[in-house]
Amino acid sequence: IAGITQAPTSQILAAGRRMTLRCTQDMRHNAMYWYRQDLGLGLRLIHYSNTAGTTGKGEVPDGYSVSRANTDDFPLTLASAVPSQTSVYFCASSPGVGTGELFFGEGSRLTVL
Amino acid sequence: QKEVEQDPGPLSVPEGAIVSLNCTYSNSAFQYFMWYRQYSRKGPELLMYTYSSGNKEDGRFTAQVDKSSKYISLFIRDSQPSDSATYLCAMIRSGNTGKLIFGQGTTLQVKP
Repeated sequence: IAGITQAPTSQILAAGRRMTLRCTQDMRHNAMYWYRQDLGLGLRLIHYSNTAGTTGKGEVPDGYSVSRANTDDFPLTLASAVPSQTSVYFCASSPGVGTGELFFGEGSRLTVL
Repeated sequence: QKEVEQDPGPLSVPEGAIVSLNCTYSNSAFQYFMWYRQYSRKGPELLMYTYSSGNKEDGRFTAQVDKSSKYISLFIRDSQPSDSATYLCAMIRSGNTGKLIFGQGTTLQVKP
């Protein structure tokens, strides 16, 4: 089934540890995004990539980094996790830029202790 | 003040009721308006998509945009228990680099 695959689905992590959330899409979409979802705050954009080889900062980029070496993969790295990064993380892709038509993965639940 | 405001609910209605979900926004540059549906422990999925002001109907769902009032609505007719989910409004400026702005989401429960 075509779509977005995220891994891991759930993870408990000690503060200070490094963590990479993986995201792979098989729809050949140019644009990809990482959001975090927190109760009462909705979905907030962390980083985005309009095409392979380019990335940009979203609303809440601090503490996170991304790379886009190819069209299909868009990993999100937490260099040194802190408890405030406890959240549900969603990867998404879009066939075009600026249309708002996003396809989301199932999410990765991260708990930082 | 947030760019997009949405009442988080929860909203509980009996099966068959008409549901009205609403969002207000402050940025008059928004041109595209979306409604996403998110089931528990799942990713959001696009439900409705409208451009500028007006109405759009898809089955039991109607999306309405009033740019003069900076107000968008989603109406669900003959609501079903399967409609129980969180509904997120979202909007974006024309030509923007994909920075979609989401509302906080409204949780809807339709009771049989």
